[in-house]
Amino acid sequence: SAVISQKPSRDICQRGTSLTIQCQVDSQVTMMFWYRQQPGQSLTLIATANQGSEATYESGFVIDKFPISRPNLTFSTLTVSNMSPEDSSIYLCSVRGLLNTGELFFGEGSRLTVL
Amino acid sequence: GENVEQHPSTLSVQEGDSAVIKCTYSDSASNYFPWYKQELGKRPQLIIDIRSNVGEKKDQRIAVTLNKTAKHFSLHITETQPEDSAVYFCAAARGIGGNMLTFGGGTRLMVKP
Repeated sequence: SAVISQKPSRDICQRGTSLTIQCQVDSQVTMMFWYRQQPGQSLTLIATANQGSEATYESGFVIDKFPISRPNLTFSTLTVSNMSPEDSSIYLCSVRGLLNTGELFFGEGSRLTVL
Repeated sequence: GENVEQHPSTLSVQEGDSAVIKCTYSDSASNYFPWYKQELGKRPQLIIDIRSNVGEKKDQRIAVTLNKTAKHFSLHITETQPEDSAVYFCAAARGIGGNMLTFGGGTRLMVKP
């Protein structure tokens, strides 16, 4: 299994500001995934963060809005820029297990509320 | 791309009864189908998964069935207990890569004691 720490666990933000979420994994992983879970909704992949290259964004998500850093094999950050109330969601960091069976391990999530 | 539909969105059962959640997928190339359980305020966790080379898999009170021809798969929970109450997500992927995993909309299961 993989142990994933995310912070902040929750925050209340003002419209127009930006917030950076940090994700730390207890082992080296090639890819880290960032998901968004809007209230009462499913999990939607925002982007895949690869060490040493730019993140790969899914349809509907752009780098200017969700810049991602991946400085090493155990750490990544996701910034939610110029926030609006529609960005109020849980943001989850995820990695595949070391056995590469397909299982995804998730962080506890960062619950953002934008006023 | 892949589209995963999940039904029902909510399910209420009496403790001890069985619960069945169904998912359909659109991409015939999908070959990996995991199920995740998310308790209130917690992270999603894998409970069972199945690959396209098998039709059924069981783990104690939980089973998953897959019909590749019809492109649907189901989660079966027998002898439900209050601690089974959670939101369950199905997903489908081509290969085991997490970046190709598409989740269903989720089912909120409530087990009444």
